[in-house]
Amino acid sequence: RKEVEQDPGPFNVPEGATVAFNCTYSNSASQSFFWYRQDCRKEPKLLMSVYSSGNEDGRFTAQLNRASQYISLLIRDSKLSDSATYLCVVNKPNFGNEKLTFGTGTRLTIIP
Amino acid sequence: DVKVTQSSRYLVKRTGEKVFLECVQDMDHENMFWYRQDPGLGLRLIYFSYDVKMKEKGDIPEGYSVSREKKERFSLILESASTNQTSMYLCASSPLGTSGEDEQYFGPGTRLTVT
Repeated sequence: RKEVEQDPGPFNVPEGATVAFNCTYSNSASQSFFWYRQDCRKEPKLLMSVYSSGNEDGRFTAQLNRASQYISLLIRDSKLSDSATYLCVVNKPNFGNEKLTFGTGTRLTIIP
Repeated sequence: DVKVTQSSRYLVKRTGEKVFLECVQDMDHENMFWYRQDPGLGLRLIYFSYDVKMKEKGDIPEGYSVSREKKERFSLILESASTNQTSMYLCASSPLGTSGEDEQYFGPGTRLTVT
């Protein structure tokens, strides 16, 4: 089983719609969770951390379900500029918080 | 503004050549990382350094070595390049945090082709 698993997509979604991605992770001891965003031919950048109680940043909501070992990202009122690949990221337990495992990413295209 | 720079955007080398990829960060971060990114495999950690002259192996260190002589600079070395090392190489840095919340800042990447 992969350490971090994501649906690669692509998700093609009309502008203004709501879209959600899930990601599962294999190691129940992981403590830190993130969503990174990677634009085409660019480097990944942190979108948001994911907290146990769930957290929101504008149109973006992240949730963590420890019992089922999955993380979700919800994007409301999607914009053309949201088109990107979204990477689910989890820390490697027992290696400190600095070492991360990246999912292969979910590609999102917002259609005008 | 946070900045991680990599010495080249594109590099073409021949099989068997020694290859140096350089990364510099200007944020005084303790941690630096080298990843490679391949379609369908995502980002995989090659090596990691948490201090000058310190290094740790990542998930795929075979065929690579690293050097960190100064805090701001982390070099990835391919001792004898092979075609299966053709990839996008990404450098990143982060502060030495204890909360696990610290962002990793990435450089723009070097696309290496080994022929």
